[in-house]
Amino acid sequence: GENVEQHPSTLSVQEGDSAVIKCTYSDSASNYFPWYKQELGKGPQLIIDIRSNVGEKKDQRIAVTLNKTAKHFSLHITETQPEDSAVYFCAAIPNDYKLSFGAGTTVTVRA
Amino acid sequence: EADIYQTPRYLVIGTGKKITLECSQTMGHDKMYWYQQDPGMELHLIHYSYGVNSTEKGDLSSESTVSRIRTEHFPLTLESARPSHTSQYLCASSEYHEQYFGPGTRLTVT
Repeated sequence: GENVEQHPSTLSVQEGDSAVIKCTYSDSASNYFPWYKQELGKGPQLIIDIRSNVGEKKDQRIAVTLNKTAKHFSLHITETQPEDSAVYFCAAIPNDYKLSFGAGTTVTVRA
Repeated sequence: EADIYQTPRYLVIGTGKKITLECSQTMGHDKMYWYQQDPGMELHLIHYSYGVNSTEKGDLSSESTVSRIRTEHFPLTLESARPSHTSQYLCASSEYHEQYFGPGTRLTVT
């Protein structure tokens, strides 16, 4: 099955700086890569996703890049704000609809 | 905002009790999922369903059971709760690949 590794496990950044989270996956058949944000006491919320036929996707301050050859993808958050503090999960889907999640990254934005 | 609901949000119950965690969605999604989230925040798939009368076990072995009699409803049942079942349980649904999560049920078994 698919194995997704996520780094770092914790990330502390100064407000206004950028944050980068990296994930690698093992199954070359994976073709969909979502990112979720989970705030305290809530369920994960989809914030951005990318499909295997696209190398980069951007939505305001967040962007995701995908390198299919190296089997890794990354989340970039620019101009971080206190409300960006949360746990972020990457995931991948091979040929079915079951998501394989990374272990999560706890992001803390320092004011 | 996805329309997926879970009740109760918090439950504290004694060992040996039978419990049912409710999950419902109003989006008409065929696919529904149950995840268990441990204190380290990792998400583990314990059950999934691709439609009415279809249920499968996920990657993490669980003593819970599920049923899917209606498209919008996917309850999870523990016949005899144990302290090892203490966890956060998250329900999700999807039409294609994008999964939408409910707010979760935090279960504590004493």
